[in-house]
Amino acid sequence: DQQVKQNSPSLSVQEGRISILNCDYTNSMFDYFLWYKKYPAEGPTFLISISSIKDKNEDGRFTVFLNKSAKHLSLHIVPSQPGDSAVYFCAAGGGSEKLVFGKGTKLTVNP
Amino acid sequence: GAGVSQSPSNKVTEKGKDVELRCDPISGHTALYWYRQSLGQGLEFLIYFQGNSAPDKSGLPSDRFSAERTGGSVSTLTIQRTQQEDSAVYLCASSEGADPSSYEQYFGPGTRLTVT
Repeated sequence: DQQVKQNSPSLSVQEGRISILNCDYTNSMFDYFLWYKKYPAEGPTFLISISSIKDKNEDGRFTVFLNKSAKHLSLHIVPSQPGDSAVYFCAAGGGSEKLVFGKGTKLTVNP
Repeated sequence: GAGVSQSPSNKVTEKGKDVELRCDPISGHTALYWYRQSLGQGLEFLIYFQGNSAPDKSGLPSDRFSAERTGGSVSTLTIQRTQQEDSAVYLCASSEGADPSSYEQYFGPGTRLTVT
């Protein structure tokens, strides 16, 4: 059973618009959440994180929102740029739990 | 500074052969992880090393898989008697701290393993 789910395998947006990537989790012990970005033939790179004591964390064009009651988090990218085109992985962990990764969402930003 | 490196970048092997994949973590990072990404799948945890503690092997899919970390630095993932379902990208990551959920993991570029 997947503990971290990214239900959209792909997303396509126009340059300049907002990209919203979603992630759901099932384990209530998770208290730390991360987003990683992966280009082809490269390893994932850390993008942004949030702990359960917050409901929002912002870093430039990237904002992560956490809704603990819904066990849902989302990554907003605004404005989206063609260089943002990549696979985005959501990951969750906490306490004695190892990081668990979702299957990823492939984002394509069209010029 | 140098990031996480992995070798080889690509490996093609025949079914039944053994393979060794190498990971050089970032210097000073005490935690090291191995993951596997099969086609269309997420990152599947395999094994975790933290300092001198016994490794967490709970993600290894079968006893054909093993890993060691020598001197708290370089790690080798060994797959014996490879099967076609072992074909995947094997990713290594390292992090500074002991708590796997609290420290950013830095990933290597991966080794793409193809078993024919």
